[in-house]
Amino acid sequence: EVQLVESGGGLVQAGGSLRLSCAASGFTFSDHHMDWVRQAPGKGLEWVARSRNKGNSYTTEYAASVKGRFTTSRDDSKNSLYLQMNSLKPEDTAVYYCLRDNYFHAFDIWGQGTMVTVSS
Amino acid sequence: DIQLTQSPSFLSASVGDRVTITCRASQGISSYLAWYQQKPGKAPKLLIYAASTLQSGVPSRFSGSGSGTEFTLTISSLQPEDFATYYCQHLNDYPITFGQGTRLEIK
Repeated sequence: EVQLVESGGGLVQAGGSLRLSCAASGFTFSDHHMDWVRQAPGKGLEWVARSRNKGNSYTTEYAASVKGRFTTSRDDSKNSLYLQMNSLKPEDTAVYYCLRDNYFHAFDIWGQGTMVTVSS
Repeated sequence: DIQLTQSPSFLSASVGDRVTITCRASQGISSYLAWYQQKPGKAPKLLIYAASTLQSGVPSRFSGSGSGTEFTLTISSLQPEDFATYYCQHLNDYPITFGQGTRLEIK
């Protein structure tokens, strides 16, 4: 079964750090670009970061709201994607989803999400 | 940044109705547009990609059209399980952005 499972969410104080993990299974992880998207409580979807595949030199992209604070990385040998979040702010409070790019500029596989709560 | 504006933001309809949701981009995005459905407490689900390609397993009552700056998602005959929130998304450039969402509720 094709699956993404996020972990690592929780409650943290403003200024703190968290590291999210996303474990992939059922597909060739190394072939795909992978992304993070978040959704604040009761709000819409916000793209956070992209990790391109090896063929694209593992380059990354970030939303302006997280650039310089968040870092995404991947370990293809472990079929895992990571999001290191530093200098967290209350406005980073959201469910964070790990996603697979389907080669056609869309996200066909989503994880169940992990909740991050930043207290002020 | 490319802005995506969905209309309407809220839609009330009945089972069996045909409904159309529009997504307008602030600049041309070719056909790099996708549509998602999200139900409360669940992750979004991909419905349409490349503006008009139906994702595998999605019922054929869903269809997408458009290119450039105007796109539509049509549900030909609403079913009870279709009442949800719908989002459009582009991947023409960075940052990737989503529309604000269209909440579809039962009349």
